[in-house]
Amino acid sequence: GAGVSQSPSNKVTEKGKDVELRCDPISGHTALYWYRQRLGQGLEFLIYFQGNSAPDKSGLPSDRFSAERTGESVSTLTIQRTQQEDSAVYLCASSLQQGRKNTEAFFGQGTRLTVV
Amino acid sequence: QQQVKQSPQSLIVQKGGISIINCAYENTAFDYFPWYQQFPGKGPALLIAIRPDVSEKKEGRFTISFNKSAKQFSLHIMDSQPGDSATYFCAASRRAGGTSYGKLTFGQGTILTVHP
Repeated sequence: GAGVSQSPSNKVTEKGKDVELRCDPISGHTALYWYRQRLGQGLEFLIYFQGNSAPDKSGLPSDRFSAERTGESVSTLTIQRTQQEDSAVYLCASSLQQGRKNTEAFFGQGTRLTVV
Repeated sequence: QQQVKQSPQSLIVQKGGISIINCAYENTAFDYFPWYQQFPGKGPALLIAIRPDVSEKKEGRFTISFNKSAKQFSLHIMDSQPGDSATYFCAASRRAGGTSYGKLTFGQGTILTVHP
């Protein structure tokens, strides 16, 4: 596609429910990142994919958070048993790998998650 | 060692003035320093970036100044316009090497308001 696409744009869920957030990266981009942006805060790194493997999961805040990626395509971030502190904008970015370097990261518009 | 500290949190400038946002980093392994611009409801978009082998990079009205010894870098917006009103994030990453090259560590953001 032309850019990084995320769905849904907005999600309101009840505390304790599970949610799935989807990211479609730019075609051909092998690297994919998930970030979380709390209101008025900077972006916190969650997880990094190179292809369908995740060499860096260090930012996932708890075992309620998980992510997977199909090949060099779609990624899904799953939050189980959502809590109110999970309310944030979840941003996905992708970039192209050239050798052992990654080029500029392009961000999607984000999914605004509200846990009530 | 992964932090990037950004200041000020908010900035108000008159049209035509100069906007200056500062960032400091700790990890000397960082070798890529981008600035992102984010409008409400949108994902961050790359504005300008610099590598540590140069002390300044200019693109139109936007200039990055980089001080490697002080581990600081700043964004200067000349002739600021109301359309520049947005949130600006500095970031840092390792473009190559390590387990998650390309992973961005963000500052906390600066809300810039340019009055007409």
